[in-house]
Amino acid sequence: DAGVIQSPRHEVTEMGQEVTLRCKPISGHDYLFWYRQTMMRGLELLIYFNNNVPIDDSGMPEDRFSAKMPNASFSTLKIQPSEPRDSAVYFCASSPGQGYREQYFGPGTRLTVT
Amino acid sequence: AQTVTQSQPEMSVQEAETVTLSCTYDTSESDYYLFWYKQPPSRQMILVIRQEAYKQQNATENRFSVNFQKAAKSFSLKISDSQLGDAAMYFCAEGTSYDKVIFGPGTSLSVIP
Repeated sequence: DAGVIQSPRHEVTEMGQEVTLRCKPISGHDYLFWYRQTMMRGLELLIYFNNNVPIDDSGMPEDRFSAKMPNASFSTLKIQPSEPRDSAVYFCASSPGQGYREQYFGPGTRLTVT
Repeated sequence: AQTVTQSQPEMSVQEAETVTLSCTYDTSESDYYLFWYKQPPSRQMILVIRQEAYKQQNATENRFSVNFQKAAKSFSLKISDSQLGDAAMYFCAEGTSYDKVIFGPGTSLSVIP
């Protein structure tokens, strides 16, 4: 298996633009997680899905953020409109279980909003 | 709420020496799982070691071992014979079978040649 795939690896955009981050989980994994990592706040869980259904989105910072998982092999995290404070590395991870199994992380997307 | 604390923001170790990274957690659950993840400069997070709370025996993976003190809610990671490739950010994490994993703030480990 190729592991968790994220695209793009780097994204530079201007404030106010829409940004879409993409993730392909490992086949057979029922759980998908979106994290944000910054120096100030560390690793934050934004939202996670089980069998394509959002379970906990309490970490989503505000309405500008939205996430979808239309099928078992694809998820998106959208920011609209983007702001400079959204600059961070965004990770997608998948797992065959919830809190008791290993999470497999993608390489991350480094987002810079100018 | 569950919390995971790593009191050492930064650590350093001489190559070939041993280093211990500290982690404490706070959960009211009796059945839970503990993890150490490594994030090297490439930023790819990978699992180093996993411990089931119901197991008294400390987990070991090659040069990596843990000291699991359940009563004290402590879960430290020991790296023996440190290598340059061990330089990374290390995250401690705790999870249950019915809820999400909680990550600590991380410890940045430097390995001195």
